[in-house]
Amino acid sequence: DAGVTQSPTHLIKTRGQQVTLRCSPKSGHDTVSWYQQALGQGPQFIFQYYEEEERQRGNFPDRFSGHQFPNYSSELNVNALLLGDSALYLCASSFGQGLWDQYFGPGTRLLVL
Amino acid sequence: GENVEQHPSTLSVQEGDSAVIKCTYSDSASNYFPWYKQELGKRPQLIIDIRSNVGEKKDQRIAVTLNKTAKHFSLHITETQPEDSAVYFCAARSNTGGFKTIFGAGTRLFVKA
Repeated sequence: DAGVTQSPTHLIKTRGQQVTLRCSPKSGHDTVSWYQQALGQGPQFIFQYYEEEERQRGNFPDRFSGHQFPNYSSELNVNALLLGDSALYLCASSFGQGLWDQYFGPGTRLLVL
Repeated sequence: GENVEQHPSTLSVQEGDSAVIKCTYSDSASNYFPWYKQELGKRPQLIIDIRSNVGEKKDQRIAVTLNKTAKHFSLHITETQPEDSAVYFCAARSNTGGFKTIFGAGTRLFVKA
């Protein structure tokens, strides 16, 4: 039974570029949440996808967008990258939009130069 | 907006002593309070959680207490061991308007042998 997986593990981009991060939820899960974790900080909620729709959003600009596919996997897109977007991006999956516990993936470490 | 405050930011204890981490939340609609342990370079791992209809929960050396009136919840680790050294995050989740989990800033726990 595979857990939550994310790709890529590491990524280096330059300011102004765009990036796409991917997440596959744990088997049996249908909900994916994305978090940004800056160095030395707690995870900050970006948004949550359930039934292929964005259901809840944190305080992040429109440069951050996402998508959920019919197989429940999800993508996080960030446009016009800023230096401050450098962080560990975590996805977490759960069942039923959060009725139960969420499980985190290993994260994608993004460095913006 | 919703906020979770966590104290202390750093905690150093001798092996065998107890460690207590405290959190306060602002959203009175929060009804689920998980605690995560994050080791360096790894994903957050759920270690214990408590729901709003329970005041206390224990799992071996770890216990969590919740005071809904005061909007406080705490993590207690007894008989600490060097492998307990990590960053611990509290979080609060509300299901009002969708599920959103807000994390505290984290407590770095050092257990000295």
